[in-house]
Amino acid sequence: GESVGLHLPTLSVQEGDNSIINCAYSNSASDYFIWYKQESGKGPQFIIDIRSNMDKRQGQRVTVLLNKTVKHLSLQIAATQPGDSAVYFCAENRPSGNTGKLIFGQGTTLQVKP
Amino acid sequence: GAVVSQHPSWVICKSGTSVKIECRSLDFQATTMFWYRQFPKQSLMLMATSNEGSKATYEQGVEKDKFLINHASLTLSTLTVTSAHPEDSSFYICSPDRGRGTEAFFGQGTRLTVV
Repeated sequence: GESVGLHLPTLSVQEGDNSIINCAYSNSASDYFIWYKQESGKGPQFIIDIRSNMDKRQGQRVTVLLNKTVKHLSLQIAATQPGDSAVYFCAENRPSGNTGKLIFGQGTTLQVKP
Repeated sequence: GAVVSQHPSWVICKSGTSVKIECRSLDFQATTMFWYRQFPKQSLMLMATSNEGSKATYEQGVEKDKFLINHASLTLSTLTVTSAHPEDSSFYICSPDRGRGTEAFFGQGTRLTVV
C-alpha cells in the first residue's frame, strides 16, 4: 500500500483554542487534496478540499493551506469544540487516469479538552 | 453529498468462513467502486477497485482469490472475504468513484472481526 501504516499522532487542545493539523503529501503531481474527519467506527466525512492552483481555502471554522513547494497541507480549525474530537486525514488525488482514487496520509487524532 | 450505504456495519465470524460486505451507491451511478481497508489506529489503504461489468483490479499485496469483488450493477458492489482468518479483522470501507478532482464520499464502514 502507499499510505503510511504508522500509529496516529495525537494533538491535544483546549476547547475554544485553534487547532492546526499538518500533513505531508507524497506526489508533487497531485492536484487535488481533501481533508476528512473520521469518528470512531464510522467512515470518513468530507471537511474541505483544495486544488493545486490555490494556496488557501476557507470554510466554516476551517481553513486549508497548501504549500506545493514543500508538499505540505494544513487544516486549521478555529474555536475547537468537543465535537471536533476525531481522527483527521488528508488525502491526495493524483493525476494518473481520470479517477478519484485517493492516497491517504497517516492521520492525526485530535483530542479536545473541555 | 452522495449517499453510500454499506452493510453490515459490523460482523463477527469464525475462522475459515466467508463474509460478504455490500456497498450501495444510492444516488450516484458508480461504474467504479473503491474498497479500502483500515487497521486499528492506522490510515485507510486502498485494497481494490471494482468495475461494473469487468474484473476488479487489486493493489499490490492484496490477494484477489481471498477478497472477491463483484460489481453487479451501477449501484451495488460486494466484497467477499473468503476463508477469513484473524489477521483479516479490520474496518472495510467503500467509496464510489466520482471522478478525478471530485470530493469522494464513503460508506459507514464494516467492522469485521474473525475469531
